[in-house]
Formats: sequence, structure tokens, C-alpha cells
Amino acid sequence: KQEVTQIPAALSVPEGENLVLNCSFTDSAIYNLQWFRQDPGKGLTSLLLIQSSQREQTSGRLNASLDKSSGRSTLYIAASQPGDSATYLCAVGDNDMRFGAGTRLTVKP
Amino acid sequence: GAVVSQHPSWVICKSGTSVKIECRSLDFQATTMFWYRQFPKQSLMLMATSNEGSKATYEQGVEKDKFLINHASLTLSTLTVTSAHPEDSSFYICSAKGGGSGYEQYFGPGTRLTVT
Repeated sequence: KQEVTQIPAALSVPEGENLVLNCSFTDSAIYNLQWFRQDPGKGLTSLLLIQSSQREQTSGRLNASLDKSSGRSTLYIAASQPGDSATYLCAVGDNDMRFGAGTRLTVKP
Repeated sequence: GAVVSQHPSWVICKSGTSVKIECRSLDFQATTMFWYRQFPKQSLMLMATSNEGSKATYEQGVEKDKFLINHASLTLSTLTVTSAHPEDSSFYICSAKGGGSGYEQYFGPGTRLTVT
């Protein structure tokens, strides 16, 4: 059974810092890996989707990489802003999508 | 495009009653819909997968007689929590995909259920 782990569980940084969120998974035979943002009490906002044949995806200040062989993905956020404060979830799989527990990010002004 | 809605966004019900949550794909036909549950400060857990016109497939530990799922059309799936109890209080999120393997799931905004 696929297990997804996210480190750290919580992160607090000053505004402007670049930061990296980590995601690891136990079964490298995946279709997709997706990063989401979740604000308190809200649903999911899809940030980046990396298909199994891809190594990375970029959107604005966000860059996600995927290394299937090592079972890892990283989400890089450049020049963090207070509005980036949220919980970031990593999920792997296709129909049987498995989520990590998330990293709760706080960006201080 | 690829918008999924849920209704209601929040609901409070008394213990023992049943609650129905709707999930709709607004601008695409969803061949497969998924229901997730999220307890406070925990991640999403897949409850069941449903294909239009077929019975839902439930994850281990999810009671199919308690969580009734109907996927009667390509744009609508419903989750009915029967005889709800306080421990069923949770955030329920649905998602939908329009194609087969490799297609992206699109998530609804979630429904907050509180059972008193």
C-alpha cells in the first residue's frame, strides 16, 4: 500500500525566503504526483501536477520536482509571501490517490 | 474549466438522521468520482470510488451501508451518511475525473458535516 510522508509537518519563515517542502512515497510505480494547497476549512487548490514521465513542473514562483527512483518530490517556493501561508499537500496515484499529512506553512510579514 | 461543486458547503444534523451531499462536475462529464474524508488536522482519506452507472468501490474500513454513494449520471454523485453519529463529523471532499488512467482529478470545495 502506498504511503506518503511529508516533511516538515510545519514550517514558519519570514517573508521573502525561498523554501522547500518535501514529499516521499514508498511505491515508485506512480501515475501522477500532485501538489495542492489547502486553506483552513477550505477545499483543495491544485498547484502542480507532475506526470510519471516528467521530472518537474513550474508555475510562477512554484517549482515541483519528481524523482521516481528515490520516491521523492520537492516543492520549491521562491520569494515567499504571507499569502502563501496554508497547508501544502502532496498526493500520488491515479484513481487510488494517496495523500500525505501536509506541511503547514506560515510566512511572517 | 474543470469545475466541481459540492452542496451543501456545511450542514449540521442531529444524531440518528441521514444527510445527503451532492457532488457535481459543472463543465465536463465525470466518468469516475471519488469521495474523501478529512478529520481535523489530518490528511484526506479516500472513502470510495464510483463509476457512472456502477456500484461504488469502498476502501477497507469504510461501511458501505452507512455511506451510500450514488453516481446516477455523468455529472452528479451523491454521498448519503445514514444514521449519522458525532464521530461522522468531518470534512467530506469529492473529486471527479473525465477520463481513464492518468487523467487529473478535480476537487470540489468540500462539505463540513457536524453531527450533534
